[in-house]
Amino acid sequence: KQEVTQIPAALSVPEGENLVLNCSFTDSAIYNLQWFRQDPGKGLTSLLLIQSSQREQTSGRLNASLDKSSGRSTLYIAASQPGDSATYLCAVRGQVDNAGNMLTFGGGTRLMVKP
Amino acid sequence: KAGVTQTPRYLIKTRGQQVTLSCSPISGHRSVSWYQQTPGQGLQFLFEYFSETQRNKGNFPGRFSGRQFSNSRSEMNVSTLELGDSALYLCASSLEGVNTGELFFGEGSRLTVL
Repeated sequence: KQEVTQIPAALSVPEGENLVLNCSFTDSAIYNLQWFRQDPGKGLTSLLLIQSSQREQTSGRLNASLDKSSGRSTLYIAASQPGDSATYLCAVRGQVDNAGNMLTFGGGTRLMVKP
Repeated sequence: KAGVTQTPRYLIKTRGQQVTLSCSPISGHRSVSWYQQTPGQGLQFLFEYFSETQRNKGNFPGRFSGRQFSNSRSEMNVSTLELGDSALYLCASSLEGVNTGELFFGEGSRLTVL
């Protein structure tokens, strides 16, 4: 059974800092990994999707890497801003025939960026 | 292009009642999946529908059910509500029926069971 862990559970940084959020998964047989952002009381906003054959994806100030063999992904946020404050979730889709669109989520990292 | 739309956004029910939640996927998306989010258990997969067929089901009791219509809209139903069913229910849609598609989530339906 796939298990996804995110460390740290909470993080507080001053504005302008570069930061790294970590995600680890126990079963390396995945199709892809997706990073999401969730604001309080809201739904999930997709940030980046990394296919199993890819090593990284970039969007603006965000860069996500994937190391399948070690079961790890990192989300790098450059020059953090107060508007980046949210909970960040990673989710993996397993590589089984009927995995469909079933994602296994980590517990999330709650990020606060202080002005 | 409209995103994933979930209705109602908020609802309050009492124990023993039943509830139906609705999800309209992004136009053209044929896969719809449902997740339950609670502070204690985090995000957990409920079920997924593709072309009106349930393709996967998570580890939830039979009180949780769903269906998908020919226009890809989906509903989920929870019968005999329990206090522990209080949660944010999130719907996601995906363009493809295969495993490589990106999932897009709605704002969720927040259910409170009293």
